[in-house]
Amino acid sequence: AQKVTQAQTEISVVEKEDVTLDCVYETRDTTYYLFWYKQPPSGELVFLIRRNSFDEQNEISGRYSWNFQKSTSSFNFTITASQVVDSAVYFCALSERGSTLGRLYFGRGTQLTVWP
Amino acid sequence: NAGVMQNPRHLVRRRGQEARLRCSPMKGHSHVYWYRQLPEEGLKFMVYLQKENIIDESGMPKERFSAEFPKEGPSILRIQQVVRGDSAAYFCASSPKVGEGNEAFFGQGTRLTVV
Repeated sequence: AQKVTQAQTEISVVEKEDVTLDCVYETRDTTYYLFWYKQPPSGELVFLIRRNSFDEQNEISGRYSWNFQKSTSSFNFTITASQVVDSAVYFCALSERGSTLGRLYFGRGTQLTVWP
Repeated sequence: NAGVMQNPRHLVRRRGQEARLRCSPMKGHSHVYWYRQLPEEGLKFMVYLQKENIIDESGMPKERFSAEFPKEGPSILRIQQVVRGDSAAYFCASSPKVGEGNEAFFGQGTRLTVV
């Protein structure tokens, strides 16, 4: 079973629109960590955020914000006033504290295209 | 503090040849993970190593693939007798600790193309 589901395969928006990328996860651990990574066309993986399961406060960093809802097992990512440079594949990932020794489970990614 | 270094960035191999991918973790990191990204897919865990030990290789194909992380030098992912289906991006990540949610720091990846 998928531990991390990103149901949106591709999203296209026009510059300055807000866009939300969905992430739903599944785990039996009570302590776990959630991540978002950005993969621009150049191919590298850029770390964006890490949240632990005990901290449900939403976080804002510039135009980026994250909404963590344990009740729905979701960790959604919103980009406000999107820009062309935001075009990339975005991955949500889960790390469990239990037996899986720090490995990351990735979703399949959401390809975001921002048009000028 | 240099990041995770992977080389080569791009590697082309003919079917049947061997591919060696190298990963130097960040300074002070003793945990290394290898992931594979097939086209249009997310990253899939392959193997987790500490110095001189394979801790978890549950994501490694049973044949042709091997990994090591010697006491000195980089971690090596080795693919013998490559086939077209091995074409993918291979990412290495390193971490200072395990199980504490320390984000794994990723290298820029090695893009393997099998022709």
